[in-house]
Amino acid sequence: SQQGEEDPQALSIQEGENATMNCSYKTSINNLQWYRQNSGRGLVHLILIRSNEREKHSGRLRVTLDTSKKSSSLLITASRAADTASYFCATLLLGANSKLTFGKGITLSVRP
Amino acid sequence: ETGVTQSPTHLIKTRGQQVTLRCSSQSGHNTVSWYQQALGQGPQFIFQYYREEENGRGNFPPRFSGLQFPNYSSELNVNALELDDSALYLCASTSAGKDTQYFGPGTRLTVL
Repeated sequence: SQQGEEDPQALSIQEGENATMNCSYKTSINNLQWYRQNSGRGLVHLILIRSNEREKHSGRLRVTLDTSKKSSSLLITASRAADTASYFCATLLLGANSKLTFGKGITLSVRP
Repeated sequence: ETGVTQSPTHLIKTRGQQVTLRCSSQSGHNTVSWYQQALGQGPQFIFQYYREEENGRGNFPPRFSGLQFPNYSSELNVNALELDDSALYLCASTSAGKDTQYFGPGTRLTVL
């Protein structure tokens, strides 16, 4: 079963624009993570935000977490063609022994 | 590169056959998780191994089984293959108590 649901399902933007992706989840979490996947290959970890954090930055990435609304957003600033990929949010539930629960993902296309 | 390797890259089997997929974890990691990713979906947790013992299992039937070896590498075995087993199989390694998982490139299994 999918814990997280990302929206939109697909996003197409121009290079240089910002991309905002949202994720909602259902149950209490330990942390929430965002991953990137290129062309159906392995997942690359982007950023992790813990349940007691509200915002985190890493380079061009900014992630927010609202535990009262059970939602998170990932902002990629100044997007590049190389950012074209699928993005997944994944939640680590309390007491889940590192088991990640993923959403269905968002397909981001960045046009040169 | 995450340092996690998987073999083979691609595999074609017929319904009813058995398959073994292999994963070498990143150096220093003692925990391996396996995920199944159907086309257009997010990864689904199959099971996790820690110090050669199964340490959590998702909603998969017993014909999905695994092993972890003393060097922390791991195998995923699937018996009596069904058409719906066609998917990308991902393994991820981490250290116990750490939340970030490092994924391999995956094995693409096609069941005909």
